[in-house]
Amino acid sequence: GAVVSQHPSRVICKSGTSVKIECRSLDFQATTMFWYRQFPKQSLMLMATSNEGSKATYEQGVEKDKFLINHASLTLSTLTVTSAHPEDSSFYICSARGADTQYFGPGTRLTVL
Amino acid sequence: SQQGEEDPQALSIQEGENATMNCSYKTSINNLQWYRQNSGRGLVHLILIRSNEREKHSGRLRVTLDTSKKSSSLLITASRAADTASYFCATAVTTGTASKLTFGTGTRLQVTL
Repeated sequence: GAVVSQHPSRVICKSGTSVKIECRSLDFQATTMFWYRQFPKQSLMLMATSNEGSKATYEQGVEKDKFLINHASLTLSTLTVTSAHPEDSSFYICSARGADTQYFGPGTRLTVL
Repeated sequence: SQQGEEDPQALSIQEGENATMNCSYKTSINNLQWYRQNSGRGLVHLILIRSNEREKHSGRLRVTLDTSKKSSSLLITASRAADTASYFCATAVTTGTASKLTFGTGTRLQVTL
């Protein structure tokens, strides 16, 4: 199946700093990518839909100024958590839309101290 | 929220037994998908069943879909210790040109030797 990578896999940062997470589709072009967050022992919650060359569409309750999404190419989308706080600590997972389904990255564990 | 509900939340069985997980959802769907997630890892796509299909098989997996009851089940036969993971159903809904996956609450499966 198609491969989606995320970088970094883990990041620990101090409160108030910004963190950028990259999501790449390695063997196919993805005009649409998705960003999810997952708290421990909970399900994935869609944060936003990232469309190449246009603004992201955010789900209700997700602050677009806090979670900046850029999808500048057909193989790369980035999520920047600005001014991170401990409550932003979570598992962030991206996915890229393929022909029939979505392919998920391995996730990024963010810990904000 | 149209997030689906899964039951049971947790299931513990012995190797060789069958495991059945159920998923209910709230809205009309295009398809329903099942994913597996090992602890702290990304999602692995298991199987997709379209809204006009009632049953689908893939190896030791059997999925049913009842659109009148808005429910689906995942059966894993002859379970193995390596099947230990969390299992999520996800419903795909297309609105215009946008298609989104909404995940259920998940079932944590523990298979013991």
